[in-house]
Amino acid sequence: QVTLKESGPVLVKPTETLTLTCTVSGFSLSSGNLGISWFRQPPGKALEWLAHVFSNGEESYRTSLKNRLTISKDSSKSHVVLTMTNVDPVDTATYYCTRWGGAVDFDYWGQGTPVTVSS
Amino acid sequence: YELTQPPSVSVSPGQTAIITCSGESLGDQYTSWYQHKPGQAPILVIYQDSKRPSGIPERFSGSNSGSTTALTISGTQAVDEADYYCLAWDSTSVVFGGGTKLTV
Repeated sequence: QVTLKESGPVLVKPTETLTLTCTVSGFSLSSGNLGISWFRQPPGKALEWLAHVFSNGEESYRTSLKNRLTISKDSSKSHVVLTMTNVDPVDTATYYCTRWGGAVDFDYWGQGTPVTVSS
Repeated sequence: YELTQPPSVSVSPGQTAIITCSGESLGDQYTSWYQHKPGQAPILVIYQDSKRPSGIPERFSGSNSGSTTALTISGTQAVDEADYYCLAWDSTSVVFGGGTKLTV
């Protein structure tokens, strides 16, 4: 059974660094043609894509956030970590990780983890 | 590169809902569609323009013609009320539509 679970702080202060972890089970992060993306949904707004890591380790980022985001994977621990530096209240959102299954696109999603940026 | 969706679509129960997604190069690539209800994880409902994952009802279908793709829900039910998003790839980056709120 494929599952993804997001974890991280619920509250972070402005200018701090946010670190979120996606823990996966039921598949291997080193399997060919699989990847992991992070999305977020600010309150009352649309979902938006943030970053992606391919099975070969290649990374891709939302252009507007490229300078603040880092995505990395640890296949041995079945983790994918998203780091966002210099957070701002506008980064308040529910953050989701999702599996990219190749031709089927994003076939499994985590339940999301809420993050509030406030002093 | 952007994907444009109508902000909202409203249908009566039993009617057909059509949600469109427009983008410059959509005819050259595949689109997938996602259903998202408040407080829940998004769900893949269509991939490769028109294929349904297992477990997705047959009333969900998709099409792609030129620069516009569409998600069609036939015999719409109250349970289908949700936000729907289209997605495509631009090289190695994900392009996500702005979402359409379907009201039933």
